[in-house]
Amino acid sequence: SQQGEEDPQALSIQEGENATMNCSYKTSINNLQWYRQNSGRGLVHLILIRSNEREKHSGRLRVTLDTSKKSSSLLITASRAADTASYFCATDPNSNSGYALNFGKGTSLLVTP
Amino acid sequence: DTGVSQNPRHKITKRGQNVTFRCDPISEHNRLYWYRQTLGQGPEFLTYFQNEAQLEKSRLLSDRFSAERPKGSFSTLEIQRTEQGDSAMYLCASSLVISVRVEAFFGQGTRLTVV
Repeated sequence: SQQGEEDPQALSIQEGENATMNCSYKTSINNLQWYRQNSGRGLVHLILIRSNEREKHSGRLRVTLDTSKKSSSLLITASRAADTASYFCATDPNSNSGYALNFGKGTSLLVTP
Repeated sequence: DTGVSQNPRHKITKRGQNVTFRCDPISEHNRLYWYRQTLGQGPEFLTYFQNEAQLEKSRLLSDRFSAERPKGSFSTLEIQRTEQGDSAMYLCASSLVISVRVEAFFGQGTRLTVV
């Protein structure tokens, strides 16, 4: 089952603008991860934020996590055409029964020159 | 290190045929996962291995599906008597997990089309 839900489903912006994507989830987590997927390709890991962290930065990426609201956001600053891709949040559930990242349906980002 | 490698990249098969996919994880990674992704959806977990032991299987993994990781290195995913609903991208990922859960690295996937 897919636990994470990204919002919006699709986002279209111009180069140089910022893009913000949100993710909501349902159960308690160890960490939350964001991945990027270019059309028809595999997933590329972008950033991991642990449940005891509230904000994390990596280059032009900024991720926030609010465990009380069970939500996360991914901000891409100064977007480029090469950022065009689908972005997925994936939750690592707080469970001792195994390890299975739960992905949402993704946000499709289009950055136009 | 060349990352996670999956073969073949594309597979077209007739309904009822068996297919097998291979995944070569990053060499020192002890965990290997299989996911399935259909168009417009996120990846759905199928199964994972800790070394050679298959520790978890989702309900999506019907009796027609079997996965192995015989020596704790590469893994194979076999689908018997394929159905059109099996058409999807099959993704493999690996990670090194010691005491802390970390990110998984994905391969490029195998796209299966059942006609």
